[in-house]
Amino acid sequence: GAGVSQSPSNKVTEKGKDVELRCDPISGHTALYWYRQRLGQGLEFLIYFQGNSAPDKSGLPSDRFSAERTGESVSTLTIQRTQQEDSAVYLCASSSSLSGGSDTQYFGPGTRLTVL
Amino acid sequence: AQSVAQPEDQVNVAEGNPLTVKCTYSVSGNPYLFWYVQYPNRGLQFLLKYITGDNLVKGSYGFEAEFNKSQTSFHLKKPSALVSDSALYFCAVREPGNQFYFGTGTSLTVIP
Repeated sequence: GAGVSQSPSNKVTEKGKDVELRCDPISGHTALYWYRQRLGQGLEFLIYFQGNSAPDKSGLPSDRFSAERTGESVSTLTIQRTQQEDSAVYLCASSSSLSGGSDTQYFGPGTRLTVL
Repeated sequence: AQSVAQPEDQVNVAEGNPLTVKCTYSVSGNPYLFWYVQYPNRGLQFLLKYITGDNLVKGSYGFEAEFNKSQTSFHLKKPSALVSDSALYFCAVREPGNQFYFGTGTSLTVIP
């Protein structure tokens, strides 16, 4: 079956430009997560959507970062006025949000963002 | 506050030898624990998880992990390493209802 997909796979942009990254979760998954992975580092939590609840935005590093999700489908992560330190791989994951939180996250292949 | 630690950035093991990738955690309740693997230029793949029950959990590709509550550890193990196991391994922890917390990753190299 289809997994989590992300687009674009690679994005090169100039400093100061806005970028929009897209995530298509697995159909039926109510939970969706965005993470950032800088070169050689671990995953940094950004934002978490769970159904119709207010998203957990506690990981967003600045107000230049925002994300939206339409219902239980596509999510977009927007970075405004990009900076060189935003260069990283942005990973999206979705899960079926089983009772109590024991659900497994399934990850997309990521979008590699390079800010020149 | 929750946290998860992978004390080794790099682990090298000879092919055919047993391997261990270490993970310790700090949570205020009963955690859910996960291991993921990331191959070069690929997304993270789920290996195994501990929710409740038997402390020894078996997962994909012959990997297993043992939940040790007294030592707050969840080390990943495999009896006989393969060169193809070379990858980046991430431990993750979650309290029910909360976000996931990932370790910084351990790079495993299996030497032929």
